[in-house]
Amino acid sequence: GAVVSQHPSWVICKSGTSVKIECRSLDFQATTMFWYRQFPKQSLMLMATSNEGSKATYEQGVEKDKFLINHASLTLSTLTVTSAHPEDSSFYICSAHVGARTDTQYFGPGTRLTVL
Amino acid sequence: EDKVVQSPLSLVVHEGDTVTLNCSYEVTNFRSLLWYKQEKKAPTFLFMLTSSGIEKKSGRLSSILDKKELSSILNITATQTGDSAIYLCAVKETSGSRLTFGEGTQLTVNP
Repeated sequence: GAVVSQHPSWVICKSGTSVKIECRSLDFQATTMFWYRQFPKQSLMLMATSNEGSKATYEQGVEKDKFLINHASLTLSTLTVTSAHPEDSSFYICSAHVGARTDTQYFGPGTRLTVL
Repeated sequence: EDKVVQSPLSLVVHEGDTVTLNCSYEVTNFRSLLWYKQEKKAPTFLFMLTSSGIEKKSGRLSSILDKKELSSILNITATQTGDSAIYLCAVKETSGSRLTFGEGTQLTVNP
């Protein structure tokens, strides 16, 4: 299957700082990437859909000014958590849609964010 | 609003048992249903189902879709401790590419 990487795999930061998470498709071009967050013992919650070359589409209740998404190339999307607070601590996962060939999304390994 | 419901939410079995996980959905324009396995990190893809009644199989895992009942089951036979994970069901509509996930079933297989 297609490979998606995420960096960093974990990060600890102080409250008020910003954190950038990268999501890369390694062996395919992804016109669409998705960002999810997952709290312990809960399912994945879609935060936003990232489209290459255009603005991201955010889900209801997700602050676009707090969670900045940039999809500048066909292989890279970034999520920046601005002015992070302890309640932003979570597991952030990106996925990439391979394209018209399949409906399957392939997930990155996730980033564990802890805000102190 | 699309809705995906999985049951049971958690399940504890012994090695060698057979388990059946359920997923039901309410989607306006259904296109496909996907099963994922999530261990400590991100979900890994298991199956994608689009047609009713056609079983997909991979080793001890199999899955089938029933569009009439708006549901799918995931079977695991001869379970092993390595099958312990959260199993996620997701559905996709005909428009767009987003997936709607269910809450997941936490499966624990004890030796």
